[in-house]
Amino acid sequence: EDKVVQSPLSLVVHEGDTVTLNCSYEVTNFRSLLWYKQEKKAPTFLFMLTSSGIEKKSGRLSSILDKKELFSILNITATQTGDSAVYLCAVAFGSGNTGKLIFGQGTTLQVKP
Amino acid sequence: DTAVSQTPKYLVTQMGNDKSIKCEQNLGHDTMYWYKQDSKKFLKIMFSYNNKELIINETVPNRFSPKSPDKAHLNLHINSLELGDSAVYFCASSYRGTGNNGYTFGSGTRLTVV
Repeated sequence: EDKVVQSPLSLVVHEGDTVTLNCSYEVTNFRSLLWYKQEKKAPTFLFMLTSSGIEKKSGRLSSILDKKELFSILNITATQTGDSAVYLCAVAFGSGNTGKLIFGQGTTLQVKP
Repeated sequence: DTAVSQTPKYLVTQMGNDKSIKCEQNLGHDTMYWYKQDSKKFLKIMFSYNNKELIINETVPNRFSPKSPDKAHLNLHINSLELGDSAVYFCASSYRGTGNNGYTFGSGTRLTVV
């Protein structure tokens, strides 16, 4: 069965801390892995990873994919209260051009002042 | 200006009623989706349309019927609503699969069945 598993499910840190969120997957015909941030409403896109070992960065956020071990991590350095959100990992898989994503259960991050 | 817009944002209704949620995207995307997010924040795909053609139809009760009049619109009609249908329903769109930026999501419709 195709699945995406995230850990931890929830995390509480203080401002300035560094956090690492994990995502492991088992799918047939992997195409890409995506990270989203969800605050109160719509998930917003962070990164899409297709190749192993190539780090993607955006400000204090970075992510990397390991296609051999079937996982990805999302790092957030110098966390701020505005980073508090649910972080969703999703994997695009399958043949053709369907764009089907399967999501993990999310990691709820709370950053305290 | 909104890229993917859903209406209504909130919907409270009684069991047994029939309701519709509408979605429109102005991004020129060719694929649209409906996802259901339960109380544990788990997002699960329900349907996908590519250029008005149904391409993904997950195990969803027949009471749920999507309709895509054109590639910019994807509506969801739900018959005989049940308590378990309470959730947030997200519409999303993409270009050529996940494209380079994944999906663009709408802001969600919070459905509460009482």
